[in-house]
Amino acid sequence: QVQLVESGGGVVPPGRSLRLSCAASEFTFSTYAMHWVRQAPGKGLEWVAVISDDGTNKYYADSVKGRFTISRDNSKNTLYVQMNSLRVEDTAVYYCVREGFTMVRGVEVWYLDLWGRGTLVTVSS
Amino acid sequence: DIQMTQSPSALSASVGDRVTITCRASQSINSFLHWYQQKPGKAPKLLIYAASSLQSGVPSRFSGSGSGTDFTLTISSLQPEDFATYYCQQSHSTLYSFGQGTKLEIK
Repeated sequence: QVQLVESGGGVVPPGRSLRLSCAASEFTFSTYAMHWVRQAPGKGLEWVAVISDDGTNKYYADSVKGRFTISRDNSKNTLYVQMNSLRVEDTAVYYCVREGFTMVRGVEVWYLDLWGRGTLVTVSS
Repeated sequence: DIQMTQSPSALSASVGDRVTITCRASQSINSFLHWYQQKPGKAPKLLIYAASSLQSGVPSRFSGSGSGTDFTLTISSLQPEDFATYYCQQSHSTLYSFGQGTKLEIK
């Protein structure tokens, strides 16, 4: 069925790196922008990064800019995030999310319409 | 950056109650406002997009309204499965942002 499945989470010491992957199924991955959203334990949702459908445009939250890199491989229907210089405050469940859109009075409106189950990243010594 | 503020942060209500959650943006976001429901241990689920459009499969007791800076999510008659945390989110800016969440609990 239509789904997103994240992998790659785990426990990592501060300052180290980790790469998360997200495999997309049963939809045309290459036509959708994709996001990473995270949630620290017991906290709210924090938007992390977005990549355009063709991978040319990428934007990041200030909290991860310069440390995280979002990328995608449309031939493999897979989204990635490379996380470097990890900090304790990066501990969170990381969700892979598809961006849908609709037209409202002639204007495109984008929203997060399909979420993966998430993968937990724990940054701890 | 656009800041999103939800109120209340927590709410106690009973089955059958009508409940309203508000979300305010720090600047005008037109109709680029969406609502999500999250249950413990689960991923968020899209309920309302573009301020007032009901996502496919979402019960009609959920409704959204507003534009500009002030928005509301209304549940017309609470059901047991509606007790969850609700988040608003803006997509007016390239850098998306969420409200802090409203936890809806059983009274």
